[in-house]
Amino acid sequence: NAGVMQNPRHLVRRRGQEARLRCSPMKGHSHVYWYRQLPEEGLKFMVYLQKENIIDESGMPKERFSAEFPKEGPSILRIQQVVRGDSAAYFCASSPQNTGELFFGEGSRLTVL
Amino acid sequence: KQEVTQIPAALSVPEGENLVLNCSFTDSAIYNLQWFRQDPGKGLTSLLLIQSSQREQTSGRLNASLDKSSGRSTLYIAASQPGDSATYLCAVGATGGGNKLTFGTGTQLKVEL
Repeated sequence: NAGVMQNPRHLVRRRGQEARLRCSPMKGHSHVYWYRQLPEEGLKFMVYLQKENIIDESGMPKERFSAEFPKEGPSILRIQQVVRGDSAAYFCASSPQNTGELFFGEGSRLTVL
Repeated sequence: KQEVTQIPAALSVPEGENLVLNCSFTDSAIYNLQWFRQDPGKGLTSLLLIQSSQREQTSGRLNASLDKSSGRSTLYIAASQPGDSATYLCAVGATGGGNKLTFGTGTQLKVEL
């Protein structure tokens, strides 16, 4: 049973470009969470999704950030018009239900030049 | 708003020593508490999950305790090994919040030969 798969592992973008981060949850997991880890800071919750639904996006910045988890395919975190402050590690996690143990991917590290 | 604090921020011990990592949280209305391990440039690995009704959990050389009323948890590592060197993160799940976790900033542990 493969773990949570994230890609790309490393992404470099110039200011103003778009970043797309993908996450495939563990098999059998329908709950997906995105967390962000800024340099020298702890992980912060961004968004919680189930298939085709955003359940809780209270941690998402109001502009430029969006997330989806379509019926088929991976969950995608999209950042439009990136700025240097978006440079961070973005972690995806999944679970079989909205409680209990969370399984994390290895993260996507975004660097904005 | 839940705040999670971990002390110490960094710890260096000789191999074989028993050690205790501390985690405190401000809101005792928690659903669960999880301890994770993070290796440099990697994702998070779940170590122990304690439900709010439990007092402790054990896995191998690790033991985590939870005192909800005082807002504290400890992670005890017995007979430390160099392979235990990593950052240890404490995360709290709020009642009704499921896997929307609030993380501490971690304790960076180094076990020396």
